[in-house]
Amino acid sequence: DQQVKQNSPSLSVQEGRISILNCDYTNSMFDYFLWYKKYPAEGPTFLISISSIKDKNEDGRFTVFLNKSAKHLSLHIVPSQPGDSAVYFCAASRGGATNKLIFGTGTLLAVQP
Amino acid sequence: GAGVSQSPSNKVTEKGKDVELRCDPISGHTALYWYRQSLGQGLEFLIYFQGNSAPDKSGLPSDRFSAERTGGSVSTLTIQRTQQEDSAVYLCASSLGTSGGQNEQFFGPGTRLTVL
Repeated sequence: DQQVKQNSPSLSVQEGRISILNCDYTNSMFDYFLWYKKYPAEGPTFLISISSIKDKNEDGRFTVFLNKSAKHLSLHIVPSQPGDSAVYFCAASRGGATNKLIFGTGTLLAVQP
Repeated sequence: GAGVSQSPSNKVTEKGKDVELRCDPISGHTALYWYRQSLGQGLEFLIYFQGNSAPDKSGLPSDRFSAERTGGSVSTLTIQRTQQEDSAVYLCASSLGTSGGQNEQFFGPGTRLTVL
């Protein structure tokens, strides 16, 4: 039962253009969503998050959009840079006692110079 | 400041042996999580600690897996009688708390476990 899905295993973008990474979820009880970036042989690094009461959160070049009716969120990176090349994981939590994260399978972003 | 550290970074063991993986969370973080990432998969939740208690162990795959946390700090994940399907990267994360904006979890570099 894959509650968080990232249907694109990979994405290639030219430097300077926009990268859009997508994530779908099935559990309407999720109330907090996060994006993590992961380089090889390193742990995931927190990027940006959004509460379910919002529909947009922006931090520098990174913006996360949440569409609750569609159970869909997306991460926009603009402008994309070669250093952004990594695997991006979408994660969701239900709050409550543990706030354990449910992760998608990741999207490998390659930003071409 | 110091982040989450894990040791060893790599562990190769023979099937049937026991292994211990260690996690040192960020100082002051009360919440600690263990996840694992098998080849080609996303991160899979194993267990959550609040202080020294583990109110959520729902992700532990079998009774061969156990974990403890002492002093509200260091945690060890023990896998007994390892099997080849236990091969994965085991990741530890910590956070300040569990509500709203305190739930940003900070991850260590992981321990890559290979069971031969």
